[in-house]
Amino acid sequence: DSGVTQTPKHLITATGQRVTLRCSPRSGDLSVYWYQQSLDQGLQFLIQYYNGEERAKGNILERFSAQQFPDLHSELNLSSLELGDSALYFCASSVLPRAGTEAFFGQGTRLTVV
Amino acid sequence: AQKITQTQPGMFVQEKEAVTLDCTYDTSDQSYGLFWYKQPSSGEMIFLIYQGSYDEQNATEGRYSLNFQKARKSANLVISASQLGDSAMYFCAMREGKPGAGSYQLTFGKGTKLSVIP
Repeated sequence: DSGVTQTPKHLITATGQRVTLRCSPRSGDLSVYWYQQSLDQGLQFLIQYYNGEERAKGNILERFSAQQFPDLHSELNLSSLELGDSALYFCASSVLPRAGTEAFFGQGTRLTVV
Repeated sequence: AQKITQTQPGMFVQEKEAVTLDCTYDTSDQSYGLFWYKQPSSGEMIFLIYQGSYDEQNATEGRYSLNFQKARKSANLVISASQLGDSAMYFCAMREGKPGAGSYQLTFGKGTKLSVIP
């Protein structure tokens, strides 16, 4: 158990809908990262937050947004969902985004858009 | 261009034998980090080992070691004494970005599926 908690584990929704994925980082970790794993794109970095502030953005679509709250949990919001958004979404956390700091991953949320 | 290349889509190894999973990377940064993660069929990503670009010694964690050849830009994972539970996808990843700026992201390779044969 990595200590990173993601909910829900599975989500099935229809095209055009909006969903929210939730992540609770390991105790004491200030940095949260979101990744998307799909069959065709592999594992891709979406966005990073550090202590509530956005620090880095990757291949995140405009239909997607995220935030990190004062209690350090994070949410990833996906809207106007398309079939191609079906993927495994990971949250990871680390103490600091510093050299040598490994990121610990949650178990992922498997999103299926039908 | 791919930043992380894992050329072996699938590998087989006999139980108790050692196996090397290949990873080459491309970066112009002087400071970077290399990671290996294991993803079993259950889906979670498990951190295995880390190597910093300035580390002179190869990293080791139990049965895992990282064969770091900086000039060749390779960071191969060596698993000694393979076990059936080692059957999984293995991903090599690189951390770039500016550590002092407080941001970094991991770039992953496409992975190698390792199957351990009894």
